[in-house]
Amino acid sequence: DVKVTQSSRYLVKRTGEKVFLECVQDMDHENMFWYRQDPGLGLRLIYFSYDVKMKEKGDIPEGYSVSREKKERFSLILESASTNQTSMYLCASSTPGREREQYFGPGTRLTVT
Amino acid sequence: SQKIEQNSEALNIQEGKTATLTCNYTNYSPAYLQWYRQDPGRGPVFLLLIRENEKEKRKERLKVTFDTTLKQSLFHITASQPADSATYLCALDLQLSGNTGKLIFGQGTTLQVKP
Repeated sequence: DVKVTQSSRYLVKRTGEKVFLECVQDMDHENMFWYRQDPGLGLRLIYFSYDVKMKEKGDIPEGYSVSREKKERFSLILESASTNQTSMYLCASSTPGREREQYFGPGTRLTVT
Repeated sequence: SQKIEQNSEALNIQEGKTATLTCNYTNYSPAYLQWYRQDPGRGPVFLLLIRENEKEKRKERLKVTFDTTLKQSLFHITASQPADSATYLCALDLQLSGNTGKLIFGQGTTLQVKP
């Protein structure tokens, strides 16, 4: 079974803090994704990566950066957290080709106060 | 503008009936369309994928149709059970370079199956 794990289920940070969200997958997937999910707005893509050290902006990259130094790990960085970044953050991975479904982690609920 | 819409209202049905969820989109040309299930406080779980050249796909009690002319997908759960209660997400799978896909999600439809 594919397993995608995220470093924390719940996180509380202060405005202006630097925040790291870690995601690890164990299925040797090439693609990894970061989403945020908000009521009424659904799941929105922040960044994705289709290879080590490669990254692409998604639909809402402002205020975020990412790092992919190893194939299994994809980190989301909030350089200076703000209250409007309070959200559920979901990581996913997939493999390119016909079997292209995404496997999601359990999510990190981040609160910025 | 580009839009993807699912039934915004929650869907309440009686156990044993067929649930039908709708996903409509405009100004996209997805190569694939995917459906996911999400339970409260958890990540989405993949259910089915249908390709643009497929009209229908089935998996156990689940059936998905994909009409690229109408720009619509229908998701059916037959013989529904209370355990099917969840939020169901439709996602357009937009082909990028290198055979990688980018998903655009609808907001989801919450299904409640009553015993």
